[in-house]
Amino acid sequence: QSALTQPRSVSGSPGQSVTISCTGTSSDVGVYKYVSWYQQHPGKAPKLMIYDVSKRPSGVPDRFSGSKSGNTASLTISGLQAADEADYYCCSYAGSYIFYVFGTGTKVTVL
Amino acid sequence: QLQLQESGPGLVKPSETLSLTCTVSGGSISSSSDYWGWIRQPPGKGLEWIGSIYYSGDTYYNPSLKSRVTISVDTAKNQFSLGLSSVTAPDTGIYYCARLWAVRSNYFDPWGQGTLVTVSS
Repeated sequence: QSALTQPRSVSGSPGQSVTISCTGTSSDVGVYKYVSWYQQHPGKAPKLMIYDVSKRPSGVPDRFSGSKSGNTASLTISGLQAADEADYYCCSYAGSYIFYVFGTGTKVTVL
Repeated sequence: QLQLQESGPGLVKPSETLSLTCTVSGGSISSSSDYWGWIRQPPGKGLEWIGSIYYSGDTYYNPSLKSRVTISVDTAKNQFSLGLSSVTAPDTGIYYCARLWAVRSNYFDPWGQGTLVTVSS
């Protein structure tokens, strides 16, 4: 099972919006509504930002939103802030054999 | 507030078995709605799911690691453990434990702080 495909990096100026794509297959992202997104600052553990494609955990700003179309899920960060500069990983449930597959990771840079 | 903490040796010799424990505090590992998982991250690379366990002992492993992985649970100590046999240099990385919400959902939250394991002689 290959990792989900994410762009290596995206960047934006403070206040702008950026979108990170996460492309899988019809065996994972395309068939299940269980896509989650994690933010990881350097030297820190990943933090859940989005689950079930578009749900936000308590405490996560509404600047973070998720969506899915076909085999591709997306994370959008609106009103970009310096604190958003981090690595972001998607993850999809992939059925009862593979179970969970993570994305390749995207570095978000705030210019 | 649920917290998880990994512990174990930071250095393992090639061909030996990596053994880590995750201690859960602020909640019960026997919660009927919770599964528990291990995820690893090689230096400078992405995340890889290793496997998960339910408090009853039901386990689910990454097919690519299944032949070398054992995950167990100790409900009396509120801990679950990871064993990875026949390790080689590519097994070097940060190992995280996390709660897995797997009832009508699937995501990992919260995560432990992670522990670095180096495979070297």
